[in-house]
Amino acid sequence: DVKVTQSSRYLVKRTGEKVFLECVQDMDHENMFWYRQDPGLGLRLIYFSYDVKMKEKGDIPEGYSVSREKKERFSLILESASTNQTSMYLCASSPGGKAFFGQGTRLTVV
Amino acid sequence: QKEVEQDPGPLSVPEGAIVSLNCTYSNSAFQYFMWYRQYSRKGPELLMYTYSSGNKEDGRFTAQVDKSSKYISLFIRDSQPSDSATYLCAIYNFNKFYFGSGTKLNVKP
Repeated sequence: DVKVTQSSRYLVKRTGEKVFLECVQDMDHENMFWYRQDPGLGLRLIYFSYDVKMKEKGDIPEGYSVSREKKERFSLILESASTNQTSMYLCASSPGGKAFFGQGTRLTVV
Repeated sequence: QKEVEQDPGPLSVPEGAIVSLNCTYSNSAFQYFMWYRQYSRKGPELLMYTYSSGNKEDGRFTAQVDKSSKYISLFIRDSQPSDSATYLCAIYNFNKFYFGSGTKLNVKP
């Protein structure tokens, strides 16, 4: 079974903090994604990566950056957390054709 | 026009009912179709995956793609309270996924 592991289930951070969300997959997938999920807005793509050190902006990249130094790990960085970044963050990996999600990180910024 | 549209529900059915969940999509070139199940406060879990058109069955679940009308469906037979979740349809095209907004299903004992 494909396993996508996100480092935290729940996080509470203060406004202005730099926040790191980590995601690791164990299936050697080329593609990895970061989404946020909010009620009424569905899943929105923040960034994706199709190879090591490669990244592409998604639909809502503002306030976020990413890092992919190794194939299995894709990190999402909130440069200066704000309350409007309170959300459920979902990492996914894909060999192409279908995506496998992690368990999600519920981030609250206070 | 959004790439994929899904009725958000909620949908409430009695245990044992047949459930039909549906999405429509915009681009006839789409080939890869998925259904995900998402329990509250968890990540989406891949339930069904279909390439091109036709039906795919897995236990109580059947995924159907009708490319002529750009319609995808998920049928759940003999629904159980444990099926209560949000179901998302999804389409993959050229390294990008398009997700429906999700239909919340409640199966009452």
